[in-house]
Amino acid sequence: DAGVIQSPRHEVTEMGQEVTLRCKPISGHDYLFWYRQTMMRGLELLIYFNNNVPIDDSGMPEDRFSAKMPNASFSTLKIQPSEPRDSAVYFCASSLPADTQYFGPGTRLTVL
Amino acid sequence: DAKTTQPTSMDCAEGRAANLPCNHSTISGNEYVYWYRQIHSQGPQYIIHGLKNNETNEMASLIITEDRKSSTLILPHATLRDTAVYYCIVSARINYQLIWGAGTKLIIKP
Repeated sequence: DAGVIQSPRHEVTEMGQEVTLRCKPISGHDYLFWYRQTMMRGLELLIYFNNNVPIDDSGMPEDRFSAKMPNASFSTLKIQPSEPRDSAVYFCASSLPADTQYFGPGTRLTVL
Repeated sequence: DAKTTQPTSMDCAEGRAANLPCNHSTISGNEYVYWYRQIHSQGPQYIIHGLKNNETNEMASLIITEDRKSSTLILPHATLRDTAVYYCIVSARINYQLIWGAGTKLIIKP
């Protein structure tokens, strides 16, 4: 398996623009997680899904952030409108119920 | 979730065993100890986990004290590629909420 795939790897955008981050989990994994990592706050869980259903989105910072999982092999994290403080590395991870999480390479987002 | 305490940074000579400590004095009976590492600019990588018995796999060994209030991750023969931030996390299997601290920055020196 290719592991968790994320795209794009780097995204530079201007304040106010919509940003969409994409994730393809490992085939057969029931759980999908979205994290954000910054120097100030470290690694934070934003939201996670089980069988395509959002289970806990309490980590989503505000209404500008939304996440979807239309099927078992694809998820998106959208920020609209983006702000400079959203600049971070966003990671997607997936797991089986045994909960060892496998992380993707991340998307480095820069909002100017 | 229980919190963990780890040293901010550690050095280790290449080829020697790297011993990374972690305190988790408020761990609950149903919580596991997980170790992940993050090599610069990469996503975190799972290393090992355990409940109360010592565990070993191809990457590392995990030693958990009898009272489960602390543990040590052992990399038996450290290489330069083991330079990374190592995270000790305690979590019940059922809720999947991994709370990430600052970790230990391990630097392997030639």
